[in-house]
Amino acid sequence: DSGVTQTPKHLITATGQRVTLRCSPRSGDLSVYWYQQSLDQGLQFLIQYYNGEERAKGNILERFSAQQFPDLHSELNLSSLELGDSALYFCASSVVSGSNEQFFGPGTRLTVL
Amino acid sequence: AQSVTQPDIHITVSEGASLELRCNYSYGATPYLFWYVQSPGQGLQLLLKYFSGDTLVQGIKGFEAEFKRSQSSFNLRKPSVHWSDAAEYFCAVGEGNAGNMLTFGGGTRLMVKP
Repeated sequence: DSGVTQTPKHLITATGQRVTLRCSPRSGDLSVYWYQQSLDQGLQFLIQYYNGEERAKGNILERFSAQQFPDLHSELNLSSLELGDSALYFCASSVVSGSNEQFFGPGTRLTVL
Repeated sequence: AQSVTQPDIHITVSEGASLELRCNYSYGATPYLFWYVQSPGQGLQLLLKYFSGDTLVQGIKGFEAEFKRSQSSFNLRKPSVHWSDAAEYFCAVGEGNAGNMLTFGGGTRLMVKP
């Protein structure tokens, strides 16, 4: 158990819908990262927040957005969902920004029908 | 842009045999390098990391990896594989300056024969 929690574990929804994925980092970790794992794209970095502020952006679609709240939990919002958005979404956290060890949560499996 | 290549998509080894998983990276500066393991239905667990110093790094579960700058490689090794090592293994490089994100290789799925 990494100490990073993600909810829900599974999510099934329809095209065009909007969903919110939630992540709670390890106690004391200020940085949260979101990754998408799909069969065709592999593991891709989406976005990073550090202490409430966006720090880095990767291959994140405009339909996707994220935020980190004062209690340091983070939410990833996915809207206008398409079939191709079906994937495993991981959250990771680390103590500070930088290439320190990132601890990954168990992921949320999103299925878009 | 940095990139990571894991040339072997699948590898099958017999239990007790030695293992080497290959990883090549492309990055301009001194890289931060990682190996993660993902068991079915699980998240990613860090096996080991290289930031600087000794180029042979030891990790958990008996794994080690060697950083070779001249070959841009960071291969993962284990002298004797156990059936519980069957999983998918990912090599990753982190940006040195900002260190904000990991770029992952495509992964190598390891199968262990009894």
